[in-house]
Amino acid sequence: GQQVMQIPQYQHVQEGEDFTTYCNSSTTLSNIQWYKQRPGGHPVFLIQLVKSGEVKKQKRLTFQFGEAKKNSSLHITATQTTDVGTYFCVNTGTASKLTFGTGTRLQVTL
Amino acid sequence: DTEVTQTPKHLVMGMTNKKSLKCEQHMGHRAMYWYKQKAKKPPELMFVYSYEKLSINESVPSRFSPECPNSSLLNLHLHALQPEDSALYLCASSQGRPGGAYGYTFGSGTRLTVV
Repeated sequence: GQQVMQIPQYQHVQEGEDFTTYCNSSTTLSNIQWYKQRPGGHPVFLIQLVKSGEVKKQKRLTFQFGEAKKNSSLHITATQTTDVGTYFCVNTGTASKLTFGTGTRLQVTL
Repeated sequence: DTEVTQTPKHLVMGMTNKKSLKCEQHMGHRAMYWYKQKAKKPPELMFVYSYEKLSINESVPSRFSPECPNSSLLNLHLHALQPEDSALYLCASSQGRPGGAYGYTFGSGTRLTVV
């Protein structure tokens, strides 16, 4: 079946540094959604990307969808301690498979 | 109301017990989901309901039995579980049909421990 891999699995940064997580698929993705899950919490929807090459921004967060729709990325500029959590990409758009990526756990220290 | 409410928040049950997890939303969402999440792993899809009908069962063992009594409620009935079924069970809902153009709203989950 389709696997959606994320790299890195874990990243530890100092507050103020930038952070990027990458989402890669062996097959073409339908739509991509991004979620954040705080430690002990539940996934919270951040954004959806639909079009090839799409770029969306939310304050310090920048989301990209690859031209071939086989990869996506989330970039956080100047991380803050509130950014701590696990970031998941999710392949949606087809009724048959709603697949979470493997996730990237971000730790931010002062 | 923009929330998905799950009860109970925590549940400890024996392997011979029968229990139910409940999920409720009043956002008018017509797609509802059950996910299972083990520690440090991504959520895994279990069931999808679309317009109160079961549309996807991801080969889940029969000791898990979903039910959708109406468009606002989703239950997960548990019977004869195994210790490896201990996990966080998440309910989610979304507008329209599954896999559509809308983000999912997740509940805070039920942390289940099977002893």
